[in-house]
Amino acid sequence: EVQLVESGGGLVQPGGSLRLSCAASGFTFNTYWMNWVRQAPGKGLEWVANIKQDGSGKYYVESVQGRFTISRDNAKNSLYLQMNSLRAEDTAVYYCATGSLRYWGQGTLVTVSS
Amino acid sequence: QTVVTQEPSFSVSPGGTVTLTCGLTSGSVSTSYYPAWYQQTPGLAPRTLIYATNTRSFGVPDRFSGSILGNKAALTITGAQADDESHYYCVLFMGGGTWMFGGGTKLTVL
Repeated sequence: EVQLVESGGGLVQPGGSLRLSCAASGFTFNTYWMNWVRQAPGKGLEWVANIKQDGSGKYYVESVQGRFTISRDNAKNSLYLQMNSLRAEDTAVYYCATGSLRYWGQGTLVTVSS
Repeated sequence: QTVVTQEPSFSVSPGGTVTLTCGLTSGSVSTSYYPAWYQQTPGLAPRTLIYATNTRSFGVPDRFSGSILGNKAALTITGAQADDESHYYCVLFMGGGTWMFGGGTKLTVL
């Protein structure tokens, strides 16, 4: 059974940093692209970033370009999202999802507020 | 910039059939966009219904089907039930490694 478990969310001040993690199991992690998707309170879904199987390709939505960095550790079956220079508008539940956005985790809440 | 479009709201009678669509402000949706569909209840993670245009996710009843209709991706629900009342999102692969979600459709069953 595919399982994706996000962690690392919490309350952070504007301008601060946070690192999200996603632990994957139940599938061959190193053969899948991986994604981060977010959902602001009361809003729709927004694709944030993805990363190729070997980490050689990374893509971002324009609003996080230069502030967020996606990475992975295939030896640990883990996906990460380093978020810097956080803004109030980054407040959202962050989900990790497999390459074609077929399998999703339950999400972790990030709140950016002073 | 091209944006993914969905009907903001839709209603269907119990037992009825409804087709939700997923289009582009510029251009036509094809299978090359790998359209996927999700159902989401507030407070819960999205549930994948359809991926790669028309492949039903495990455990999804065959009342839900995906297709390309004209220049849009479509999600058809036949024999609508009360618990189909939910938000539905589509997503398209936009190329260059990026994906884009539609704004979602709130479906009411009444």
